[in-house]
Amino acid sequence: EADIYQTPRYLVIGTGKKITLECSQTMGHDKMYWYQQDPGMELHLIHYSYGVNSTEKGDLSSESTVSRIRTEHFPLTLESARPSHTSQYLCASSEGDALNTEAFFGQGTRLTVV
Amino acid sequence: AQSVTQLDSQVPVFEEAPVELRCNYSSSVSVYLFWYVQYPNQGLQLLLKYLSGSTLVKGINGFEAEFNKSQTSFHLRKPSVHISDTAEYFCAVTRGSQGNLIFGKGTKLSVKP
Repeated sequence: EADIYQTPRYLVIGTGKKITLECSQTMGHDKMYWYQQDPGMELHLIHYSYGVNSTEKGDLSSESTVSRIRTEHFPLTLESARPSHTSQYLCASSEGDALNTEAFFGQGTRLTVV
Repeated sequence: AQSVTQLDSQVPVFEEAPVELRCNYSSSVSVYLFWYVQYPNQGLQLLLKYLSGSTLVKGINGFEAEFNKSQTSFHLRKPSVHISDTAEYFCAVTRGSQGNLIFGKGTKLSVKP
């Protein structure tokens, strides 16, 4: 059973609001990721982190930002939400930087911006 | 650059029938390949992975996949599906030295009684 948690599971929010999607893992994994998932589309990597104080942008350009102040916590923030940000956001973690390690996923946050 | 193509967006099948979900990848370097499953309203869960060695890989829930380097394929199979296998299945490949996963668009498997 993966120990990675995302809150909230569902969020409906108005345009222009600031939001933070939370992601925490208790496995001590160094590497963490944020993916964006839209129906019928690939999961797109938007941010990742190799460890504390490390953040990198992924393949898909995103207006969101992330921080990694603690190993177990990797929150994603949107300063001003827009309807185009409506999507499902999946957080994941894996051990170290090895190529062949399994990524563990949270249950996702489904964001709707109205 | 690496990419993953899942050839079928939806696969309907009757219970106890065999199923194959197709995945092709493109890469100029050696890759590691994965299949993940996503049940409704859940995150992704690893089904199986190919790292090296035997080209036939067995995973959880009776699934298996065969790595075919010449055809750059990694098709997922199950000889007899259950209603509970209804889910979306994602093929993925690692990306170079960074180890970030690149996913296909997913295949929705629908098992009917």
